[in-house]
Amino acid sequence: TQTVSQSDAHVTVFEGDSVELRCNYSYGGSIYLSWYIQHHGRGLQFLLKYYSGNPVVQGVNGFEAEFSKSDSSFHLRKASVHWSDSAVYFCAVSALASSSFSKLVFGQGTSLSVVP
Amino acid sequence: GPKVLQIPSHQIIDMGQMVTLNCDPVSNHLYFYWYKQILGQQMEFLVNFYNGKVMEKSKLFKDQFSVERPDGSYFTLKIQPTALEDSAVYFCASSLGDWGIEQYFGPGTRLTVL
Repeated sequence: TQTVSQSDAHVTVFEGDSVELRCNYSYGGSIYLSWYIQHHGRGLQFLLKYYSGNPVVQGVNGFEAEFSKSDSSFHLRKASVHWSDSAVYFCAVSALASSSFSKLVFGQGTSLSVVP
Repeated sequence: GPKVLQIPSHQIIDMGQMVTLNCDPVSNHLYFYWYKQILGQQMEFLVNFYNGKVMEKSKLFKDQFSVERPDGSYFTLKIQPTALEDSAVYFCASSLGDWGIEQYFGPGTRLTVL
C-alpha cells in the first residue's frame, strides 16, 4: 500500500519569496508522482508529474518539483510566489499495479497563503 | 484547459434517500474516476470506470454505491440508500489514458446527508 505525507498543513510566505512544499511517499515499486492545486471552491488542477528521467520537472506557472528516491520525496518549489498562488496543494502517488489502471493516492494537502 | 463539470454543486438529502451525482467529463476522455473527501481529511479514491465497466474500486465503495455512463452521457455516482457517513465532497475526474496520464478534476459536489 502506498502512502503520501505532506508534513506542513499550512505555509505562509510573502509575495516574491520562494517556497517549498514538502511531500514524502512510501512505496517500493514503480510509481508516478504528481502535484495538483486547488483554489477555493474549484476542482483540482494538474501542475506537474514525474515518472522517470530528469528528477527535476517543470510545471505550469513557474512551479517545479524534484524527485529523490533516496529521500522518498517529491517536493514542490517556486522561486517567487504571487498572491494568486494562494491555494491548497496536493501531492499524489499512483502505483503501477498489475491492472495498470490508475488511482491516485493523495496527501493531506498543504494550504499556501501568500501575503502581499 | 479541459474542464470537468459536476452537477449539482451542493445536495442536501435525508438519510435513506437515493442520490445521483452527475459528472460531465472531458469530451474525448475514456477513463473516469470518483474520489471522496470528508471535511478536513484526505481525498480518497472510490472507483474507476472504463469501457462501460468498473475496473477497480476501494473499500469505501460500498454496496450501496453504483456508477454508470449510459450512452456516453453523464458519468454518474448513485448512492442508494444514503447514510450519514456519506456526507462529503465527491470529486469526479477523467483522463485520456490510464496510468501515468494526468486526471482532470471537476469542482466537486458537496453532499450533506441529514
